[in-house]
Amino acid sequence: AQKITQTQPGMFVQEKEAVTLDCTYDTSDQSYGLFWYKQPSSGEMIFLIYQGSYDEQNATEGRYSLNFQKARKSANLVISASQLGDSAMYFCAMREVDTGGFKTIFGAGTRLFVKA
Amino acid sequence: NAGVTQTPKFRVLKTGQSMTLLCAQDMNHEYMYWYRQDPGMGLRLIHYSVGEGTTAKGEVPDGYNVSRLKKQNFLLGLESAAPSQTSVYFCASSSTGGDYYGYTFGSGTRLTVV
Repeated sequence: AQKITQTQPGMFVQEKEAVTLDCTYDTSDQSYGLFWYKQPSSGEMIFLIYQGSYDEQNATEGRYSLNFQKARKSANLVISASQLGDSAMYFCAMREVDTGGFKTIFGAGTRLFVKA
Repeated sequence: NAGVTQTPKFRVLKTGQSMTLLCAQDMNHEYMYWYRQDPGMGLRLIHYSVGEGTTAKGEVPDGYNVSRLKKQNFLLGLESAAPSQTSVYFCASSSTGGDYYGYTFGSGTRLTVV
């Protein structure tokens, strides 16, 4: 069963506007972590932001914020004031406890295109 | 300050050949992971390790083996390569299991099996 769902394969946003990338997750654990990563066309994976399941406030890192709605099991990424350099693939991920320790699983990703 | 280094960066294998991908980290991280990335499927966890001498299966472990004999190295082996193993392979490491600081990823290995 899909544990991380990103329903938007591609998104367009105008430069300087805000954009929300959707992510829903499925877990029965009480303790888990949620992440967003960015993958530019160069291929490297860049960690953007983290939200713990017990954190009451939404995480923020510069222009990135994570809209955490626990009851809905959603963890949407909001990018404010989009820049051309934000054009990339974005992955939502969830850290969960496994028999072997902690592991993180990823969604299929959303490709963001920022238009000048 | 190299972070996570993967070797090789590119490789072409014939079906049935074997190879080992090497991942080395210099950050004294306990946790190390191997993922594969295929178009439209995100990253899928192959195997992971929570410390020297430990390994565990991820989502797609079949056809792969791993070893963590030294804390800084995590090896991924393909004993008999198949075209379905054509993919980009990423290694990652973390100190906390990922919380707060996320993973540090290597630059990836592009493997083609013909």
